[in-house]
Amino acid sequence: DTGVSQNPRHKITKRGQNVTFRCDPISEHNRLYWYRQTLGQGPEFLTYFQNEAQLEKSRLLSDRFSAERPKGSFSTLEIQRTEQGDSAMYLCASTLQRGFSTTGELFFGEGSRLTVL
Amino acid sequence: LAKTTQPISMDSYEGQEVNITCSHNNIATNDYITWYQQFPSQGPRFIIQGYKTKVTNEVASLFIPADRKSSTLSLPRVSLSDTAVYYCLVEGGSARQLTFGSGTQLTVLP
Repeated sequence: DTGVSQNPRHKITKRGQNVTFRCDPISEHNRLYWYRQTLGQGPEFLTYFQNEAQLEKSRLLSDRFSAERPKGSFSTLEIQRTEQGDSAMYLCASTLQRGFSTTGELFFGEGSRLTVL
Repeated sequence: LAKTTQPISMDSYEGQEVNITCSHNNIATNDYITWYQQFPSQGPRFIIQGYKTKVTNEVASLFIPADRKSSTLSLPRVSLSDTAVYYCLVEGGSARQLTFGSGTQLTVLP
């Protein structure tokens, strides 16, 4: 399967713990996005990478959140000192961006659901 | 970033054509219009994208009037499996922060 893969699919943690999610994009996709989605809401943009460079971060992304994409391949999203308000589905998407045209089709993974107790 | 407005929910019956309209009054010249579908506990899935007039693919059509201030996603002969949330996005190459609104919950009834 060459789709976007996210791990783990589910994570339950206690408040104050650190969690890390991994996203493996479709190979050769140069752009990678992270979104967060809570029940009944649309996905909220968190950050995106162009190859290994993190080019934009949402103001939603507090200092407890950090994302990396070493070597422009897989990406990790770490949440430190989790809070109950961090409970959400974390979605990763990738695309092949050419030039400055529209972003085109985003390919989303199945998401990683975080529950903070 | 152009803001979009969609109905919160719509109901339809199997076999009917469904049209979901999205308003985007502040759309910029370089912006494209993209629609995604999302089922519960899954990531969104691309449906269709267009810039003007009409675009058609194997699952839907997208109608965009000349002023581009709105767009209509048309789903022909819906089935129960089309029950999902549908999102309209507007963005151009310079607006990399793709923004999803609250979407439209489509419920297809038997």
